This record gives sequence, structure tokens and C-alpha cells, in this order.
Amino acid sequence: DGGITQSPKYLFRKEGQNVTLSCEQNLNHDAMYWYRQDPGQGLRLIYYSQIVNDFQKGDIAEGYSVSREKKESFPLTVTSAQKNPTAFYLCASKPGTGRSGANVLTFGAGSRLTVL
Amino acid sequence: AQSVSQHNHHVILSEAASLELGCNYSYGGTVNLFWYVQYPGQHLQLLLKYFSGDPLVKGIKGFEAEFIKSKFSFNLRKPSVQWSDTAEYFCAVNAGTASKLTFGTGTRLQVTL
Repeated sequence: DGGITQSPKYLFRKEGQNVTLSCEQNLNHDAMYWYRQDPGQGLRLIYYSQIVNDFQKGDIAEGYSVSREKKESFPLTVTSAQKNPTAFYLCASKPGTGRSGANVLTFGAGSRLTVL
Repeated sequence: AQSVSQHNHHVILSEAASLELGCNYSYGGTVNLFWYVQYPGQHLQLLLKYFSGDPLVKGIKGFEAEFIKSKFSFNLRKPSVQWSDTAEYFCAVNAGTASKLTFGTGTRLQVTL
């Protein structure tokens, strides 16, 4: 079945450590996104990528970094510069412009990061 | 910049009650509008969407939403809720040619038996 796989599902980190969250999709989607979900704040966009080797900052990019070396993969690194990293992180993807379903996001199951 | 407001943060209804969740957006041009739902322990999934045409759109599980351009609104409705509708509901907007989807803060719906 096609879909988005996020790993790990749960992650604990000590303050000052960087951590990388994995996101892999086998939907042949061009665009990929990272959102952060906090109670009462909805989903806020961290980074997005419309094509391989290119990505743009979202609304809350500070303290995060991404790469898009392959179409299928869009890992997110939460750096020690992120002041409040404990959150639920959601990866999503969608087809490219002009393709069927171009504006509909498909989401992964999420990764819950807790900083101790 | 596009933004979305959801006015109801937590709604509690009895089974069979009618539901209306408010959603307003701020963008003056063409928009694509969405409602996503997150059931407990499950992926966020699409409930319904509006791109163009008939402003009353129907989605899965008996949900519908009406796009009222003059009010910048896209409220979600269901005539009779079920216990299984307990979930968090998110309104989202994709404005103009923007590639990103902006979400509201979500409404937690609790349906009691």
C-alpha cells in the first residue's frame, strides 16, 4: 500500500542534542511538508519542498533543518537551537501541480518528540 | 498572508445532535478550502474539500461544508453526530497559487452517548 512512513514514532532527547526524524513516501509525490502540532495551536508549517534538492522555510523554521536529496525522502533535523522542541511532528506529501489530487495532502502517522 | 480561524476550541454534543463548526479565512483571492479530521490514534485524513463550483460540498461520513465567499467562511456541518465522530477537526486554506496549506487551531469534538 502506498503511504507515508514516519520514524521513530516516539523519541526522547536530552537538551542540547540534535535529532533527525525520518519521512519516507512511496506515493510518487513531488511535494513534501513538515508540520508541528501542539495542543491548541493546530498545525504549523516548518519546512516544505516542492522538488528534489529544493526546499523553503515555513512559518516556524527556526531551529530546524531539512534536506531533499531523494524524491521519496524528506528528513527533519531538530537542532539544539530549537527552544521548545517537545511536540508532535507530522510529515505530509502531495502530487505536483497539474497532477490529479494536486492540492490534497496525505499525512504520515507522526513522530512524538519529548525533550527531557 | 493567509490565515485561518476556528472559533470553537472544544465542543461537546450528545449523539444525534446537529453539528456546526466555524471556520473563517483571511485572503481576498481564489482559495482552496479543506476540512481534515484526526480520530484518536489515527492519521490526519481529508474530510472534504472545496476548489470551485457548487459552494456546498459533501464529504465522507455525512459531513458537508458551505463556502460563503462574502463571509470568508467554510463552516462544517453534520445533521446528526455519532459517538464515532469524536475527533479533532481542522480547517485549512490554500490561497491562490501558494504551495503551502495553512491550518486553523483545530476543534476538539466530543460526542457523548
